[in-house]
Amino acid sequence: QSVLTQPPSVSGAPGQRVTISCTGSSSNIGAGYDVHWYQQLPGTAPKLLIYGNTNRPSGVPDRFSGSKSGTSASLAITGLQAEDEADYYCQSYDSSLSGYVFGTGTKVTVL
Amino acid sequence: QVQLVESGGGVVQPGRSLRLSCAASGFTFSNYGVHWVRQAPGKGLEWVTIIWYDGSNKYYADSVKGRFTISRDNSKNTLYLQMNSLRAEDTAVYYCARLGGTGTTGPLDYWGQGTLVTVSS
Repeated sequence: QSVLTQPPSVSGAPGQRVTISCTGSSSNIGAGYDVHWYQQLPGTAPKLLIYGNTNRPSGVPDRFSGSKSGTSASLAITGLQAEDEADYYCQSYDSSLSGYVFGTGTKVTVL
Repeated sequence: QVQLVESGGGVVQPGRSLRLSCAASGFTFSNYGVHWVRQAPGKGLEWVTIIWYDGSNKYYADSVKGRFTISRDNSKNTLYLQMNSLRAEDTAVYYCARLGGTGTTGPLDYWGQGTLVTVSS
């Protein structure tokens, strides 16, 4: 049972903008711990997409952006492309659990 | 380039043990903490355990505490996960992933391809 809640699915047409929320609490996101985002294409290992709430690793298109406010974080994908169809996970640290936590995951579908 | 390659997965009966390995290359292994993360079939990611760069600290998810042990051999650039008293609910793909950035709450910046563990009689 994850402590970070994401919508199970989001969808959009090519070129549209979609956002994925990640809702936590005062012991994880709200405590100031960084949020990281991962993209998992079908049948592959997760890949780091956003780190430290807003930063993109080298090679990640600037269509992907992250934000954080209070006890929540969000991932936005602008100019949605067919290759963006994947599962997306947020991740942070939880002081109550003394461990690392992942979000429940969101499946992005390109219509 | 950074590479993490897991091995050791397979089919094991409930209550038995299995040891996974993760061979690292392309970076100075002894400078980085490393996680194990698992993913049950059709399910989301679950953090399992982490070991500090020098092995001085180890932390576990409650679901595996007391049954799983993480360790590393920096001379061999290899991470291990000893899994004892395995249960059906431990069935998953197990990934090793490097702790990136500075500090202990950085991102998991590189992942292996995963190894499948199936616990079944």
